[in-house]
Amino acid sequence: DAKTTQPPSMDCAEGRAANLPCNHSTISGNEYVYWYRQIHSQGPQYIIHGLKNNETNEMASLIITEDRKSSTLILPHATLRDTAVYYCIVRVDQGGSEKLVFGKGTKLTVNP
Amino acid sequence: AAGVIQSPRHLIKEKRETATLKCYPIPRHDTVYWYQQGPGQDPQFLISFYEKMQSDKGSIPDRFSAQQFSDYHSELNMSSLELGDSALYFCASSPPAGSSGNTIYFGEGSWLTVV
Repeated sequence: DAKTTQPPSMDCAEGRAANLPCNHSTISGNEYVYWYRQIHSQGPQYIIHGLKNNETNEMASLIITEDRKSSTLILPHATLRDTAVYYCIVRVDQGGSEKLVFGKGTKLTVNP
Repeated sequence: AAGVIQSPRHLIKEKRETATLKCYPIPRHDTVYWYQQGPGQDPQFLISFYEKMQSDKGSIPDRFSAQQFSDYHSELNMSSLELGDSALYFCASSPPAGSSGNTIYFGEGSWLTVV
C-alpha cells in the first residue's frame, strides 16, 4: 500500500507557483521521497527526489520538513503543460531494486 | 538521451488470445519493472527483474509471465486474455547499485485492448 497522502486535486494559475503537499508520517529513516508526474496516458515522468535536505533541479524544488513527515513539491512558474497527476512516493534508495508504489496522486490543473 | 523503449505501442487482441509485450531498458540499466494501469486507475506494480532474476512480484495474474533476457530486455507474456486485461502497460528500468542514484525511468507504455 502507498505510504503517502495527497489532496486529490489542485488548481493553479499559469505563471504562478504550484505547491503540492504530501504527507508521509510513517516514513522510515532509509526511505527517500520521490515525485513523479503523469501527463494523460503517458509514462510517469521522474521529477525529483530527496532524503532530508531540500532539493532543486531544473524542473522543481522539493521541500522536506525537518521531521520528514511531510513534503512539498514546488513548480515555480507553472505552465499549461504542467497539468498532470503528481505522485509523491516513498521508497528505499540504497542501491537495490525497490519498486515504486503509486498512490492516488494529485490532479493538478493549470489554468490560463 | 536514450529512454525505455516499449513495443508494440498499441495492440488489439481477442478474448482468450495471447499477447507479448517487449521492453528495452535504458542502456546499462539492469533492473526492469512492469506496471499495469487500467482506465482511470493508478499504475499497479506487476513484477520486476534484477540481473535476469525475478526480484519482486506484485498483483500479477497467474496467466501472465515475464522474463528478462541476457541483453536485459524483458518480455511480458499474457495468455487467456480477458476483457479486464485491457490497460496501459508500462515498463520501467533503473541503473545498477552504486551508480548515480537508482532512479526508476518509465517507458511510454503499450496499450492493450482486448475485444
